[in-house]
Amino acid sequence: GQNIDQPTEMTATEGAIVQINCTYQTSGFNGLFWYQQHAGEAPTFLSYNVLDGLEEKGRFSSFLSRSKGYSYLLLKELQMKDSASYLCAVLDSNYQLIWGAGTKLIIKP
Amino acid sequence: DTAVSQTPKYLVTQMGNDKSIKCEQNLGHDTMYWYKQDSKKFLKIMFSYNNKELIINETVPNRFSPKSPDKAHLNLHINSLELGDSAVYFCASSQKGLASDTQYFGPGTRLTVL
Repeated sequence: GQNIDQPTEMTATEGAIVQINCTYQTSGFNGLFWYQQHAGEAPTFLSYNVLDGLEEKGRFSSFLSRSKGYSYLLLKELQMKDSASYLCAVLDSNYQLIWGAGTKLIIKP
Repeated sequence: DTAVSQTPKYLVTQMGNDKSIKCEQNLGHDTMYWYKQDSKKFLKIMFSYNNKELIINETVPNRFSPKSPDKAHLNLHINSLELGDSAVYFCASSQKGLASDTQYFGPGTRLTVL
């Protein structure tokens, strides 16, 4: 079966750095997305990785290792508004988007 | 301007009723989607439309039917609502329907079936 694993919940302090991990077992791989979803709101796009390595975009970076079936989202200089769920999603060999259940990130002052 | 909009935002109804949720995108995108997000927060794709043609139809009950009057609209009609249909339904769109395209989501419709 296809599976995407993320921690259910993480807590971090304002101003700090947090890394949210995602591991996947899917039938093939055609890219990995990270989305941010605030409570009661729609998911919004953060990043797309298809090649190994680190993609940096402002305070957010996303890393991919295809051989390990692993990605992480790195958030720097955390702000209270970063409190949200972070969803990992993988495109499988049929170009179907498989979603993880998301990681709820709680930021404390 | 809102890129992807849905109405209504909240919908409370009785079992057995028929209801519709409307979705509109003003991004000029070719493909639109409907997702269901259950209480466990999993997003499951239900349908997608590309230029008014259904290109994905996951194993959803045939009580659910997408209707696309034009490229900018994809409405979701649900017949004979059941308790298990309670969820948040998201509409989304992407530029060309390539699986790697970024999907832009609407605000969601929270459906509660009593």
